[in-house]
Parts: sequence; C-alpha cells; structure tokens
Amino acid sequence: GAGVSQSPSNKVTEKGKDVELRCDPISGHTALYWYRQSLGQGLEFLIYFQGNSAPDKSGLPSDRFSAERTGGSVSTLTIQRTQQEDSAVYLCASSGGPYNEQFFGPGTRLTVL
Amino acid sequence: SQQGEEDPQALSIQEGENATMNCSYKTSINNLQWYRQNSGRGLVHLILIRSNEREKHSGRLRVTLDTSKKSSSLLITASRAADTASYFCATVDSGGSNYKLTFGKGTLLTVNP
Repeated sequence: GAGVSQSPSNKVTEKGKDVELRCDPISGHTALYWYRQSLGQGLEFLIYFQGNSAPDKSGLPSDRFSAERTGGSVSTLTIQRTQQEDSAVYLCASSGGPYNEQFFGPGTRLTVL
Repeated sequence: SQQGEEDPQALSIQEGENATMNCSYKTSINNLQWYRQNSGRGLVHLILIRSNEREKHSGRLRVTLDTSKKSSSLLITASRAADTASYFCATVDSGGSNYKLTFGKGTLLTVNP
C-alpha cells in the first residue's frame, strides 16, 4: 500500500478484556516497529521485527503484551487483561532504508474504561 | 528514558516568522531524525542527519547537528499555519541497536495566522 495502515483507529474496551491491534506496513519494508504514546510518557518503543530474525521485545512493559508478525508483513499487537494504564495511542512504523527512516501509521487510540 | 530532550516545550509564533527548536541527547549516535505529529496521531518523518554531517536542508527546513555538544536544532523558515504540530527529535544510538529510535518529548509549535 501507499503507507502504513493500522486498525482499528479507535478502540474502547473494559478493564480486563483482551484487545488486538493490527498493523499493515509499507509493502517491501522488512522492519516493523510498535510504539506507545501516552500523556506524560512521550513515545515508548515496544517491539521490533526484522525479517526472520527474533524480535526485539525489550520495550514490552509486561507479559500481558505480545506481538507477532505473520509472513513478514502484517503484525498484531495483543494486550491481555487490559488495565487503565494501557490507555494510549499505539503507533506502528515500518522501514526499509539503510538509515532506518521510519514511516508511521495513524495509530490506534486505545481507551480502557 | 527519553534520550532526546527538546526545548522549548511549546513555541507560539506568527505566520511568516522562523521557528527554531532544539534537541539535546546524551549518548553517541548514529543519526538523528526529526518528526512532526499532527493532532496526536501518526508521525511524519521530516529529515535525517547522520553523525558525520553538520547541516542539512530540505525545503523550508534546516537541521544542524553538533556532536561535540550532543545537540541538534530544527529551523522552519517562513512558517505557515499548517506547520502547527508537535515536533520530535529521535536518535539512533551508535553503541547499541541500529534501529531503535529514542524519542524526546517534543516541542508543540503553534503558528498563528
């Protein structure tokens, strides 16, 4: 596609429920990133996928968070047993250049009630 | 932790004026990138400057990098109301992964018509 797309654009859920957020990277980009942006915390790195290599999960805040990337393309970020502090905008990015210029999707705004 | 720290946190100017935003960082870097974000959603990549470069231009944007002071500046000339957004610097460390971006907390620029 022309750019990175994410769905849904907004998600409201109840505390304790699981949510799945989807990211479609730019076609041909081998690297995919997830970030979280919340008030007062800025942009936090969550996880990085590069081709068939093991992902860098060092930014995931707890074991309730997981992500996968199927077929080297689409990625899903799953948050289990959501908590109110999980409320944030979740941004996905992909890159394919030598300097890792990252192209971001519009984000998913998650609200946990 | 946030690597880049932008200042000022907020900047308000009149259309036609120049806007200068600064970014400081703590570690050795591979490159530094500037992004713009409108309305708290997706980020748009503006410009990348490598550690061996001192200045770079792109349209009305001018970026400088001083690795001895670990600082960068973004200058937007002849500002327009449409430049109103948050601006973030992000660094790629030279010592660690070559992909992980560490973002500052951003400068909120308001350009008044």
